[in-house]
Amino acid sequence: SAVISQKPSRDICQRGTSLTIQCQVDSQVTMMFWYRQQPGQSLTLIATANQGSEATYESGFVIDKFPISRPNLTFSTLTVSNMSPEDSSIYLCSIRTGGDSPLHFGNGTRLTVT
Amino acid sequence: AQKITQTQPGMFVQEKEAVTLDCTYDTSDQSYGLFWYKQPSSGEMIFLIYQGSYDEQNATEGRYSLNFQKARKSANLVISASQLGDSAMYFCAMREQNYGGSQGNLIFGKGTKLSVKP
Repeated sequence: SAVISQKPSRDICQRGTSLTIQCQVDSQVTMMFWYRQQPGQSLTLIATANQGSEATYESGFVIDKFPISRPNLTFSTLTVSNMSPEDSSIYLCSIRTGGDSPLHFGNGTRLTVT
Repeated sequence: AQKITQTQPGMFVQEKEAVTLDCTYDTSDQSYGLFWYKQPSSGEMIFLIYQGSYDEQNATEGRYSLNFQKARKSANLVISASQLGDSAMYFCAMREQNYGGSQGNLIFGKGTKLSVKP
């Protein structure tokens, strides 16, 4: 299966700053998603990263807060903008290779906002 | 209403015994997929097992098996011969055929924390 490299693995950031998370896949994939996992909670989809076009955001998530880039079929970034302590979460990149295939996840970025 | 329900926030099991983690789901689709993931304390999400709605046999992967009861809309995970390394969060998830605009997305339950006792 594809190898997904996500970085940084963790970061501690100050309120009001922004962090960009990178997701690199070792093969071309059609579907790439970004999830958030707040402390002690389940995974919630932020958006679908579309290659060459604007990301598709889920209810409750907006582009100004979570801008996403997908310049090609192997790479995507998620930025968490103007951070507050409520943004402290694990952010996970995932891919789907098609058919009934499961989602495969990167190792996640553990973000703490102080 | 929740689409994926995991009613056991935490479970304990003795090493080498079997354990069942419950999952019920709600969908009106005829075609859907059910997945189980393991999340150790390190935070990574590890895919364990998959069951398609049209699969007649229960899925198995090594020590993991999925007890699929379609009429009851349940997809319980059975772990046989538990090991200390099985201690983790376990998430049940579903893919509906046409989930909004995010085809291919998974909907996750709240998870069950499994602790294996030596």
